[in-house]
Amino acid sequence: ETGVTQTPRHLVMGMTNKKSLKCEQHLGHNAMYWYKQSAKKPLELMFVYSLEERVENNSVPSRFSPECPNSSHLFLHLHTLQPEDSALYLCASSQGHLQTYPLHFGNGTRLTVT
Amino acid sequence: GESVGLHLPTLSVQEGDNSIINCAYSNSASDYFIWYKQESGKGPQFIIDIRSNMDKRQGQRVTVLLNKTVKHLSLQIAATQPGDSAVYFCAEYNGANSKLTFGKGITLSVRP
Repeated sequence: ETGVTQTPRHLVMGMTNKKSLKCEQHLGHNAMYWYKQSAKKPLELMFVYSLEERVENNSVPSRFSPECPNSSHLFLHLHTLQPEDSALYLCASSQGHLQTYPLHFGNGTRLTVT
Repeated sequence: GESVGLHLPTLSVQEGDNSIINCAYSNSASDYFIWYKQESGKGPQFIIDIRSNMDKRQGQRVTVLLNKTVKHLSLQIAATQPGDSAVYFCAEYNGANSKLTFGKGITLSVRP
């Protein structure tokens, strides 16, 4: 049972669509993250939020837009994506944003861009 | 530069045997290390961590060993069970630049 819930689990979208990924954590953590997981590649950090403030943006294209309305919720808004953006998108949370505490991951959203 | 790698891409073990998964890191400034397990269709799950002021830490059926001299990290799983079949990732944290770097992962397959 994960304390981090992601929806939807699967998403297929065209390159002209706009969609959003949602993440909710029930652990009382104050930092939340978006990671991208592609086949045979290490996890890639995309964004970090600490106390609802973005503290890191890892050179992610502007077609990915994060939003953190409160410490329990995190969104990733998607628009005009490319096929190479197809991947598993993982949300995580931790007690502190310096990542010296273990990350707790959700089960991810499997995104396919057609 | 920084790198976190795993010596072997796959590991097959007999149920009941002990498993050892190895990880090499290149940054001597790294001061915190974590092992994650990822089962099919799920996100990575925290297993155990260790800070650089320790060389061994034990959990339930798992032990992490850290050898800072050769920059090597290992995860030992005792009495491996079918439920241990998954991809295992090591990660290193560099406090100097606040970067957490993941390895590519190794697949552990448990034979019944």
